[in-house]
Amino acid sequence: GENVEQHPSTLSVQEGDSAVIKCTYSDSASNYFPWYKQELGKGPQLIIDIRSNVGEKKDQRIAVTLNKTAKHFSLHITETQPEDSAVYFCPNLDSNYQLIWGAGTKLIIKP
Amino acid sequence: EAGVAQSPRYKIIEKRQSVAFWCNPISGHATLYWYQQILGQGPKLLIQFQNNGVVDDSQLPKDRFSAERLKGVDSTLKIQPAKLEDSAVYLCASSLGGGGPYEQYFGPGTRLTVT
Repeated sequence: GENVEQHPSTLSVQEGDSAVIKCTYSDSASNYFPWYKQELGKGPQLIIDIRSNVGEKKDQRIAVTLNKTAKHFSLHITETQPEDSAVYFCPNLDSNYQLIWGAGTKLIIKP
Repeated sequence: EAGVAQSPRYKIIEKRQSVAFWCNPISGHATLYWYQQILGQGPKLLIQFQNNGVVDDSQLPKDRFSAERLKGVDSTLKIQPAKLEDSAVYLCASSLGGGGPYEQYFGPGTRLTVT
């Protein structure tokens, strides 16, 4: 399963509001769903991940939800702050345990 | 714990010249990856090492790119000769293993500009 679609490509939200980024996948055998954050001038960093036997996972202001029936998973960021501005990726884990990366979502937090 | 180190951070060369990048992964990490990230795109895997052996280099342009990981620790990626389209950020990442969904830890990258 190497097809992952992520949207929107750019998301601009007011500071303090929530942001939601969605990824859809095609391979029903997919069982690992990570979210990476890449700040300007840095490499990507894992911020949260979820396995297929779990529907939701939270870590402070971020959460990931998984809908296996619809084959999509979403990243939720509440009470957004300027430091949340970055590009977010939902790479797909292929059968060789390699991550296949799309173009990501650029999140802009407006002051 | 020290992160993944890469050098240099920036490099500007003319086309047809050669360049080399260096990566020092997190201590104890068996798997090392080199990615190419073109502006506005996600990282693209070039080569994956498990200890000092190559696991996958199917997307490495072998006519101009080469990589090695001596003694299963540090790694170097070389481009010779460089083309304009090689302008990108070259990211090194490491993980504990390669046979499962292990977290990948990335270095800051080397930004290459080919003029």
